[in-house]
Amino acid sequence: EIVMTQSPATLSVSPGERATLSCRASQSVSSNLAWYQQKPGQAPRLLIYGASTRATGIPARFSGSGSGTEFTLTISSLQSEDFAVYYCQQYNNWLPLTFGGGTKVEIK
Amino acid sequence: QVQLQESGPGLVKPSQTLSLTCTVSGGSISSGSYYWSWIRQPAGKGLEWIGRIYTSGSTNYNPSLKSRVTISVDTSKNQFSLKLSSVTAADTAVYYCAITDIVATKSFDYWGQGTLVTVSS
Repeated sequence: EIVMTQSPATLSVSPGERATLSCRASQSVSSNLAWYQQKPGQAPRLLIYGASTRATGIPARFSGSGSGTEFTLTISSLQSEDFAVYYCQQYNNWLPLTFGGGTKVEIK
Repeated sequence: QVQLQESGPGLVKPSQTLSLTCTVSGGSISSGSYYWSWIRQPAGKGLEWIGRIYTSGSTNYNPSLKSRVTISVDTSKNQFSLKLSSVTAADTAVYYCAITDIVATKSFDYWGQGTLVTVSS
């Protein structure tokens, strides 16, 4: 099983500031990585797939980068609606599909 | 746009079988370009992929649950289902169904709203 590790667990950021979230895979997943945003009481929403491609309707302030085992999600200027929990997920050929433990982005 | 809706009992007794259904609207479950998955999330915790089914009926399961899980599809009703046997309190979670576009994103594109299942006597 590929273990996904996200850091930090909690990130305190002021509105308008930049947020950088990290995700590490225990072995290479190439670019087969997705990022999701989850708000309280809601299902996760796909933000990024293929490590760097924004999903339909996702604002340009969200960007993803990385390949292999190290990945980053950057939110360039945090808006009030961006405070949420973010998960990375690998979908390499290896099963099971696995998620990271999440990073909570909270208001500083 | 595809929409998913989970349904099923919200309370299941220990040792019994949890049964949930996901109804698909806005698209056909018979399309050959999608995987149909179940994912769960205990309260305050992360996401765990349970398994998926392809339109052909082929399935993949998380090894941690494989001995207890069955996922099936009913194309006539545009639904797919989850059965999890011998449940314990550890299976208490919000259960989501989700769709993966095999060709485009290969990710979980759309999710149901989730349904809370509590295992308790």
